[in-house]
Amino acid sequence: GDSVTQMEGPVTLSEEAFLTINCTYTATGYPSLFWYVQYPGEGLQLLLKATKADDKGSNKGFEATYRKETTSFHLEKGSVQVSDSAVYFCALSDNDYKLSFGAGTTVTVRA
Amino acid sequence: DAGVTQSPTHLIKTRGQQVTLRCSPKSGHDTVSWYQQALGQGPQFIFQYYEEEERQRGNFPDRFSGHQFPNYSSELNVNALLLGDSALYLCASRAGGNTEAFFGQGTRLTVV
Repeated sequence: GDSVTQMEGPVTLSEEAFLTINCTYTATGYPSLFWYVQYPGEGLQLLLKATKADDKGSNKGFEATYRKETTSFHLEKGSVQVSDSAVYFCALSDNDYKLSFGAGTTVTVRA
Repeated sequence: DAGVTQSPTHLIKTRGQQVTLRCSPKSGHDTVSWYQQALGQGPQFIFQYYEEEERQRGNFPDRFSGHQFPNYSSELNVNALLLGDSALYLCASRAGGNTEAFFGQGTRLTVV
């Protein structure tokens, strides 16, 4: 079945550091890929998405490129802020539209 | 636009009891899905409703059931609660064939 594996955390960074969170997937079809973010005590917010190979999703300085050849969708941000502290989830959605999530990566940014 | 709204926000129940959680989808959305998020884990798909019918189901026992109403709102029912049912329950809605799902704030269920 479909599955997502993402980099284990927690990740602690200083402000303005570069952030990368690795995500790889297994799917039988051609899934859409997503990054969701969850701030403490809140639900999930869609951060960015890509629906086909080589698409790049971007939002709020975050980027991820759909790499079919490596079945990956790594999240990157060039300069993190304290407000980026959150849990980040990689997810995929196949033709059935249900989302399969990774375990989440907790990111803490120190001032 | 109020987005996806869930009620209640927090709930404490005793083992063996039954619980009903509610979800109103984002305006214009007709498909509702429910997810269970245990502490420190990613959300797990429970089921999806469209046109008032359960269309897909994840690996959850029959104790978990749902309903969708004509106005597209939805309920999640859990019978015979177990301690392991303690989790954040998330509702997500989307429109038609759109892959983008919007999530509510969740209901935190604690079973004691």
